Amino acid sequence: AQSVTQPDIHITVSEGASLELRCNYSYGATPYLFWYVQSPGQGLQLLLKYFSGDTLVQGIKGFEAEFKRSQSSFNLRKPSVHWSDAAEYFCAVGASGGSYIPTFGRGTSLIVHP
Amino acid sequence: NAGVTQTPKFRVLKTGQSMTLLCAQDMNHEYMYWYRQDPGMGLRLIHYSVGEGTTAKGEVPDGYNVSRLKKQNFLLGLESAAPSQTSVYFCASSYMGAQETQYFGPGTRLLVL
Repeated sequence: AQSVTQPDIHITVSEGASLELRCNYSYGATPYLFWYVQSPGQGLQLLLKYFSGDTLVQGIKGFEAEFKRSQSSFNLRKPSVHWSDAAEYFCAVGASGGSYIPTFGRGTSLIVHP
Repeated sequence: NAGVTQTPKFRVLKTGQSMTLLCAQDMNHEYMYWYRQDPGMGLRLIHYSVGEGTTAKGEVPDGYNVSRLKKQNFLLGLESAAPSQTSVYFCASSYMGAQETQYFGPGTRLLVL
């Protein structure tokens, strides 16, 4: 069965600092990987996704993520955080071959200090 | 193009009351999902549907029922609400299965007293 681990429940950064949110997955084949963001009081919105090809994926709002098969990781990065990036971030994995249900991590809450 | 909408946005129920949450999508998606979100628990799948007229159980289906009579609508029912069902409920849809992007509604906040 597939699984997703986000080791950090909370991350605090200063505005302008760089950011890395960790995501590790467990899945036998090449997974479909996603990062979603949830602003307070909102639903989830897709930041970026990886299916195949280039392992460095660019997303919206200046975010990027790198797929590392050897480490089973798909970490999210941003070079300079803005106060508006404060939100909950979810990593998710979807299986190929007709699977219907994606698996979400428990989320990482990002706090941005001015 | 409204995407995924949810009705109502907020509701307070007394224990034992029933209610139905409505999810509608205008993207012609086959797959629809109901999740609940609780602090520290992430998203947990309640039920899902892979097409009109189909439903299936997710991770936490007890106390909930669903129906997908029309492709664009996915209803979540609570027959006899319990305080443990106090949560934020999200509906999502996708064109195909787990390998596709999920589009989420804005959520319904439910308080059961």
